[in-house]
Amino acid sequence: NAGVTQTPKFRVLKTGQSMTLLCAQDMNHEYMYWYRQDPGMGLRLIHYSVGEGTTAKGEVPDGYNVSRLKKQNFLLGLESAAPSQTSVYFCATTSDGYTGELFFGEGSRLTVL
Amino acid sequence: AQKVTQAQTEISVVEKEDVTLDCVYETRDTTYYLFWYKQPPSGELVFLIRRNSFDEQNEISGRYSWNFQKSTSSFNFTITASQVVDSAVYFCALFSGAGSYQLTFGKGTKLSVIP
Repeated sequence: NAGVTQTPKFRVLKTGQSMTLLCAQDMNHEYMYWYRQDPGMGLRLIHYSVGEGTTAKGEVPDGYNVSRLKKQNFLLGLESAAPSQTSVYFCATTSDGYTGELFFGEGSRLTVL
Repeated sequence: AQKVTQAQTEISVVEKEDVTLDCVYETRDTTYYLFWYKQPPSGELVFLIRRNSFDEQNEISGRYSWNFQKSTSSFNFTITASQVVDSAVYFCALFSGAGSYQLTFGKGTKLSVIP
């Protein structure tokens, strides 16, 4: 009964390094999302996917890339990390992209030095 | 464009007091969905309620109640007889626009319940 699992939970990077965050869900949901949470800013959508093989930009996509090669996995990549990308990242899924309750992962805390 | 405003950044109440968290939304769509999520200090996000734009009935769940008023574009959340376990950040969110598939969050209200 894992639900939505994010890997890794914590990571420290140096400016310019690259990394990938993995979101894995076992709920067979079509829709998957990556949000970032910053103090005083709420949650802002980075990218999302409405199904396997599809991705779309959200509110703050710059500096990030995503891929959805398998239905159960949604990857968020940082090609060249910047201190402005220090944040807590949340993955979420839903069965209904318009009305559905989002199920969130536990979050991944990323620090870029 | 859609927008959610939670004007109260932080609220502190003494245990057993009632508290209302405000949420004002903006959308041009006639069909939309409103949500409240709770984020306790442990960090996870917990779904509390979903309400569609055609249902203006108030909802009560235990000590929690929600007041949806389309006339003022508000979806306020009241906790009655607050408890320390209610201390959390509460987010209001809006889903609107067929095909947008995007949930827009407010910036959140941090509630501290003091024993």
